[in-house]
Amino acid sequence: KQEVTQIPAALSVPEGENLVLNCSFTDSAIYNLQWFRQDPGKGLTSLLLIQSSQREQTSGRLNASLDKSSGRSTLYIAASQPGDSATYLCAPYSGNTPLVFGKGTRLSVIA
Amino acid sequence: NAGVTQTPKFRILKIGQSMTLQCTQDMNHNYMYWYRQDPGMGLKLIYYSVGAGITDKGEVPNGYNVSRSTTEDFPLRLELAAPSQTSVYFCASGPTYEQYFGPGTRLTVT
Repeated sequence: KQEVTQIPAALSVPEGENLVLNCSFTDSAIYNLQWFRQDPGKGLTSLLLIQSSQREQTSGRLNASLDKSSGRSTLYIAASQPGDSATYLCAPYSGNTPLVFGKGTRLSVIA
Repeated sequence: NAGVTQTPKFRILKIGQSMTLQCTQDMNHNYMYWYRQDPGMGLKLIYYSVGAGITDKGEVPNGYNVSRSTTEDFPLRLELAAPSQTSVYFCASGPTYEQYFGPGTRLTVT
């Protein structure tokens, strides 16, 4: 059974800092991995999807990497802004079951 | 496109009451999902469907029922509501593994 861990559980940084969020998963036989953002009281919004054949995927100030063999993914946020404050969740997809979500990292960017 | 819509946004139920949470998507997605999210516990899958007429249990199906008679709609039924079902419920849809989420329904059972 796939288990997903996200570290840290919460993070507070000053505006402008670069930061890294970590995601680890136990079953490395995945097809892809998604990163989501959740604002308080809202649903999830998909940020990035990395296929198992890719090592990186970029969207604006966000860069996600995937190391399938070690069961790890990282989300790098450059030049953080207060508007980046949210909870970030990762979800690997193994093909035979629906997505399994981590508990998320709650990010606060202080102006 | 409206995407994934959920109704109601908020609801308070008394113990033992029943209700249906509605979910509709207008993206012609085959896959639809119901999750619950409790504080600090992450998202847990209740039920999912890979197409009209096909449903399957997720991680926490007890106390819930679903049906999928059309591609667009995937209602979640709570029978005999219990305080343990107090949660935020999210519906999602997708062409396959990609998922698009609705805004959620906040349910309190007292």
